[in-house]
Amino acid sequence: GESVGLHLPTLSVQEGDNSIINCAYSNSASDYFIWYKQESGKGPQFIIDIRSNMDKRQGQRVTVLLNKTVKHLSLQIAATQPGDSAVYFCAENLNYGGSQGNLIFGKGTKLSVKP
Amino acid sequence: KAGVTQTPRYLIKTRGQQVTLSCSPISGHRSVSWYQQTPGQGLQFLFEYFSETQRNKGNFPGRFSGRQFSNSRSEMNVSTLELGDSALYLCASSFLGQGADTQYFGPGTRLTVL
Repeated sequence: GESVGLHLPTLSVQEGDNSIINCAYSNSASDYFIWYKQESGKGPQFIIDIRSNMDKRQGQRVTVLLNKTVKHLSLQIAATQPGDSAVYFCAENLNYGGSQGNLIFGKGTKLSVKP
Repeated sequence: KAGVTQTPRYLIKTRGQQVTLSCSPISGHRSVSWYQQTPGQGLQFLFEYFSETQRNKGNFPGRFSGRQFSNSRSEMNVSTLELGDSALYLCASSFLGQGADTQYFGPGTRLTVL
């Protein structure tokens, strides 16, 4: 498959364990954040998002936590499965009230799930 | 509902040539954004179109241009290709491209410049 990134931070977990992927965002004015998952040979796939007026949001098996004080996002994946193996990106939107087209992406973390 | 489609999936060009990539958004989506993805720089925003107008532009040279048609389909063009333009070019669409509108990505076009 195609490489989506070299020298990415890698998180290796055992199947069934919980995973936590961290992301530091750049701009304190950012007001909307998204996590994407990218598998080899595919485009980024939306996982979950959160607005800056929240500090936690839960989806199916995933939870996003936002700490605006230290400009930190985390993605928690419960009961990690082999199909979760991918590169995970956080993205921030600087202009929530206006055009959202410009997302700023983090460098990504490669999650590897061992069966 | 069909997802975002991009054509072609793979392209090989030589330095100095130009290239046009195409993106068809999800039906009903009016905002289309383009991103360049490379191992060294990651995902970087190129530009965003809404109702045939460019609303936002990233920090790329003028060799990179785009347009959007009345049916929301979009094309991007790169002229005078350089080796460093080799990348995965991703297109994303959203309904209005505002607020908490989710951006959905296509599979990308892998461009190789020789």
